Amino acid sequence: QSVLTQPPSVSAAPGQKVTISCSGSSSNIGNGNNYVSWYQQLPGTAPKLLIYENNKRPSGIPDRFSGSKSGTSATLGITGLQTGDEADYYCGTWDSSLRAVVFGGGTKLTVL
Amino acid sequence: QVQLVQSGAEVKKPGASVKVSCKASGYTFSTYEINWVRQATGQGLEWMGWMKANSGKTGYAQKFQGRVTMTRDISISTAYMELSSLRSEDTAVYYCARASNHARDYWGQGTLVTVSS
Repeated sequence: QSVLTQPPSVSAAPGQKVTISCSGSSSNIGNGNNYVSWYQQLPGTAPKLLIYENNKRPSGIPDRFSGSKSGTSATLGITGLQTGDEADYYCGTWDSSLRAVVFGGGTKLTVL
Repeated sequence: QVQLVQSGAEVKKPGASVKVSCKASGYTFSTYEINWVRQATGQGLEWMGWMKANSGKTGYAQKFQGRVTMTRDISISTAYMELSSLRSEDTAVYYCARASNHARDYWGQGTLVTVSS
């Protein structure tokens, strides 16, 4: 059972938009001192950072990917879906009570 | 470019220990923290702990306290993660990752550790 809750799967057609939610609590996402990051994991590869500090994109990540945080939840948005976006997506943040980095259980994105 | 290159796959018997290495290049090793994250087959990411590369100071997830040790050799820009008293549930891919801006920005390729009698 993950500390952060994500939907197990989402799907959308190529070119469409999809959002992936990440729900936590006041000790992790809801703490203003804690930042949410998002990772993309293609099959058989290591995770790749997509979003850091809630809504910032590392160099080389297209602006089709966006992040937001509100209260005890965060959201990853992907627009202009491509078949190459099919992957598992994870949210992560620091939990001040556990004194640990916590991740969501992951969301499998299918581009139909 | 930043790279983290990990050691190869390991097969261990229950009760044994494993030590995985993570060699960094493309940046000043001592100025960043290294995290270790593992992933069992078909499962999600599980954070194990952190190590400040300059001081060697560490912090471990409660689940692994007493079984995990994270160290480094600054002279060769390499971090290590040793996990002891292995059991079958420790079979997983182990990743090192550089920590920056409250995230893990670069990841190693992963090391498969199989625990089997």
